[in-house]
Amino acid sequence: QKEVEQNSGPLSVPEGAIASLNCTYSDRGSQSFFWYRQYSGKSPELIMFIYSNGDKEDGRFTAQLNKASQYVSLLIRDSQPSDSATYLCAVVRGGADGLTFGKGTHLIIQP
Amino acid sequence: DVKVTQSSRYLVKRTGEKVFLECVQDMDHENMFWYRQDPGLGLRLIYFSYDVKMKEKGDIPEGYSVSREKKERFSLILESASTNQTSMYLCASSTGTGEVIYGYTFGSGTRLTVV
Repeated sequence: QKEVEQNSGPLSVPEGAIASLNCTYSDRGSQSFFWYRQYSGKSPELIMFIYSNGDKEDGRFTAQLNKASQYVSLLIRDSQPSDSATYLCAVVRGGADGLTFGKGTHLIIQP
Repeated sequence: DVKVTQSSRYLVKRTGEKVFLECVQDMDHENMFWYRQDPGLGLRLIYFSYDVKMKEKGDIPEGYSVSREKKERFSLILESASTNQTSMYLCASSTGTGEVIYGYTFGSGTRLTVV
């Protein structure tokens, strides 16, 4: 079974700084990676997905993938208090089996 | 603009009851999933389905069953509810196969308490 590891945090970042969230995965054959944001008491919402090595940018968010190191990261620039949430990393399980999720990193943006 | 709808936001059931959790999606997605989410354990896959009348066990299927009679509807059934099934239940749907799965859309969740 594919495993996805994240530091549970909390990760505390001052407002306006860059928040860096990290994720490692066990299956070297994994191809597709997702980042979800989950506010307390709410369901997860998709922020980014990345399939290729390198960086992918979308607004204030950048996903980085390094398949050789089996490492995925999410950078949030100009962090805002509204970015305070739990961020879940997910990897495709294979076939139509869906996603395996990490346990999430709790991010706190301090005003 | 609701795309994945779970029938109940909160449920309280008694031990031993048969419980039905309903999920409907309007995006014509092939794949549907049921997860439970518990503090410290994260999201764990219970069952999934990639087609009508098809079902596959996830990582923790014990004590649960599912039904998918129509493409848009995927039901989770707790045959005899127990207190260790108290949890947040999340339904999700997706399209795509193989490694090209275009992420999930989640429902708003059902917080089930079994007393």
